[in-house]
Amino acid sequence: KNEVEQSPQNLTAQEGEFITINCSYSVGISALHWLQQHPGGGIVSLFMLSSGKKKHGRLIATINIQEKHSSLHITASHPRDSAVYICAADGGATNKLIFGTGTLLAVQP
Amino acid sequence: GAGVSQSPRYKVAKRGQDVALRCDPISGHVSLFWYQQALGQGPEFLTYFQNEAQLDKSGLPSDRFFAERPEGSVSTLKIQRTQQEDSAVYLCASSFSGGLYEQYFGPGTRLTVT
Repeated sequence: KNEVEQSPQNLTAQEGEFITINCSYSVGISALHWLQQHPGGGIVSLFMLSSGKKKHGRLIATINIQEKHSSLHITASHPRDSAVYICAADGGATNKLIFGTGTLLAVQP
Repeated sequence: GAGVSQSPRYKVAKRGQDVALRCDPISGHVSLFWYQQALGQGPEFLTYFQNEAQLDKSGLPSDRFFAERPEGSVSTLKIQRTQQEDSAVYLCASSFSGGLYEQYFGPGTRLTVT
């Protein structure tokens, strides 16, 4: 069993839909990261959170420390949101990230 | 300011060759990480530096992998006697400190071993 698991692995949505990507982890963490990776592109950090909820534009990230679960929500999805979304756990000792396998999101116009 | 840069962006090596991959972190960033991302997989941790000290190299898959950061800025990941299973994207990330700071990723070096 992976220490960080994401679901779904693949997600296809229609433009405008509300999207949720889930992340569960089994390790103790100091922070949970959400990252975005476009095909052939680099990785961009979206959020780093250790409690509660953060919002940036149409993106919202939440975390429940007790349940070891985090969600990334995209409101009013757009084709340019199409990318791989990765959650990663920061274990704290050396701040190395333990990554999930990613969720491939395709938003169709 | 400039982000994290990596060079080369692409590298093709014949099996058995040695390769050196370079990472230029954001100026002033104390922490530097190397990750390996196989095709279709999430990245996996290789090694971590705080300034010039290599504090964690637990993710290096074999003794053919070696990383250094001699002056606490630029880092080099060296792979000796490359094997086909080394084919992957090698990602470098830096952060301001070892605490709760975002990691900024470079574009990666895609290594193909033929």
